[in-house]
This record gives sequence, structure tokens and C-alpha cells, in this order.
Amino acid sequence: DTGVSQNPRHKITKRGQNVTFRCDPISEHNRLYWYRQTLGQGPEFLTYFQNEAQLEKSRLLSDRFSAERPKGSFSTLEIQRTEQGDSAMYLCASSVYRTSNTGELFFGEGSRLTVL
Amino acid sequence: AQSVAQPEDQVNVAEGNPLTVKCTYSVSGNPYLFWYVQYPNRGLQFLLKYITGDNLVKGSYGFEAEFNKSQTSFHLKKPSALVSDSALYFCAVRDYGDSGAGSYQLTFGKGTKLSVIP
Repeated sequence: DTGVSQNPRHKITKRGQNVTFRCDPISEHNRLYWYRQTLGQGPEFLTYFQNEAQLEKSRLLSDRFSAERPKGSFSTLEIQRTEQGDSAMYLCASSVYRTSNTGELFFGEGSRLTVL
Repeated sequence: AQSVAQPEDQVNVAEGNPLTVKCTYSVSGNPYLFWYVQYPNRGLQFLLKYITGDNLVKGSYGFEAEFNKSQTSFHLKKPSALVSDSALYFCAVRDYGDSGAGSYQLTFGKGTKLSVIP
């Protein structure tokens, strides 16, 4: 499968613990995005990378959240000191940037976080 | 910032009947509009997009969407619904974010649950 891959698919953790999610984008895609989706809502933008550079972060991304894309390939999203409000589906998407790019994103199946 | 609104949380339609899922948008400049579909336990899948040109856009699985500039709408349509079309549908608009014109992030609506009844 050459689509966007996310791991783990489901994580259950206790409040206060740290969690990390991994995203492997489509191989030739140089842009990578993280979104968060809660029940009954559409995906909300968190952050994005072009190659290894993190170019934008949403105001939704508190200091407890950090994302990296060290070699411009896979990315990790870490949440420190999890809170119950962090329970959501975390979506990764990728795209290829060209001057003709129209913004179409390719999404993974998501990582569901449940904070007890 | 750009935004889209999906006024219906749920749409029910009988199999074989035409379906419409509504979306309105608010943008500065020319809109780049998208529809995505989310099946249970599956990732978001791209259906179609409007960039410029013909107001009727054709996409995957027999879906099409009509862009209407005067009504700022981008409704998703299909002439004959299938039970397998039952899913969550999201309208989205390309947004520029705080970093300027290059970020190409998508801003999504809340979604509309489509149920096709056999």
C-alpha cells in the first residue's frame, strides 16, 4: 500500500501520560499536515511541514503538543501530559507542492486517542 | 480566514433517488473548493474539486458538484443514490493560514451524514 500510513491506530492512555503518533506520508510528497477531528466536527488544522521545516502551527496547538519531521519523510506528533480534552482522532495528510498545486490532500486512516 | 458551512447534519435519501448535500462558502478572492468522503473506519477520501472553469465539476463514484458564485454555494450531487454512498461528507476550502499564501491548508465544514435507505 502506497498511501499515508499512521500508527498506532488506537491509543488508550491515562491522563498525564505522554503519547506519540507516527505518520508515514506518500513517498514523493513533500508536504505533511496534522489535523485533529472530534466527534461531530470536521477536521481542524494543527500544523504542517514542507520537507523538514515546520512552517505553520495552529493556535489549537498548545505547548503540550510538538511535531517533528526530522528527515523530511515520516513525522511524529507528541502530546505531553495528556488531558481528557485531547481525546480525538489525529489525522495525517500529505501532498506534493508544485506551483500548480491546488491543495488536494491525501489522508491516512487516523490515530484515535482516548484519554481516561 | 476562509470558511465553509454545511447546513444539514444529516441527509436521508431513498436508493435510486437523486441526492444533494449542501455547502456554502465564505472566501476572500477566488475559492478553491473540495469535497471529501469518510466511510466508517476509513480515512478521508478526495471526491472532487473546483478550481476554475466549468461550474459543474465531475468527480469519483458518479458524484458531481455545482459551483454557484452568486449564491456562494458548492453543493454535492448524484443523480441516483446507492446504499454504498452512505457515509460522512465534508466540504472544504483552501485556506492560506497565518503564514501567507503558500500554506495550502484545507478548512473543513462540520460534515453531513448521508444515509441511503434501501
